[in-house]
Amino acid sequence: DGGITQSPKYLFRKEGQNVTLSCEQNLNHDAMYWYRQDPGQGLRLIYYSQIVNDFQKGDIAEGYSVSREKKESFPLTVTSAQKNPTAFYLCASSALSNQPQHFGDGTRLSIL
Amino acid sequence: QKEVEQDPGPLSVPEGAIVSLNCTYSNSAFQYFMWYRQYSRKGPELLMYTYSSGNKEDGRFTAQVDKSSKYISLFIRDSQPSDSATYLCAMSEQGGKLIFGQGTELSVKP
Repeated sequence: DGGITQSPKYLFRKEGQNVTLSCEQNLNHDAMYWYRQDPGQGLRLIYYSQIVNDFQKGDIAEGYSVSREKKESFPLTVTSAQKNPTAFYLCASSALSNQPQHFGDGTRLSIL
Repeated sequence: QKEVEQDPGPLSVPEGAIVSLNCTYSNSAFQYFMWYRQYSRKGPELLMYTYSSGNKEDGRFTAQVDKSSKYISLFIRDSQPSDSATYLCAMSEQGGKLIFGQGTELSVKP
């Protein structure tokens, strides 16, 4: 079954702690994306990668970091510099940058 | 002014009603238009994908794009309680980022 797997489903962060959200896809897509979704707002782009070993900042990259060492994996680290990390985080992938994006089921991050 | 505007709702309709969901946009360079459906605590799933102007139909769903008015719509015929979800419009330029609307929350009452 092809798709995007995000883990964990729920995550809690303590003050001063970095946490990493996992995103794996088996769709053989080149492009991968991370979005943040807050209540009443649309999806905001954090980072995206169009090819392995390359990624670009989106609209709200401050306090976040990513890596793209493998085609199928695009983990997102929420660092302690992100002062308001509570949100629903969505990972997506697409075959090419103009093709429709397919989403995982998200990780909900909360602060302890 | 946001690039993409979508009425957040909530919108409540009786089962069997025709639903019209709409987005307006300001960037005339947008060429690719999408509608996503998002159930609570789930990721968005792609419903419709259109390029440039015109209509596209898929079962009970019809997507319309009017580039001259910078307006897109999603129509749902014979709405069902299972259609209750948040609907997101999204659009992009050639080679550009996908820009999302805020989402419209729809509730279909039995």
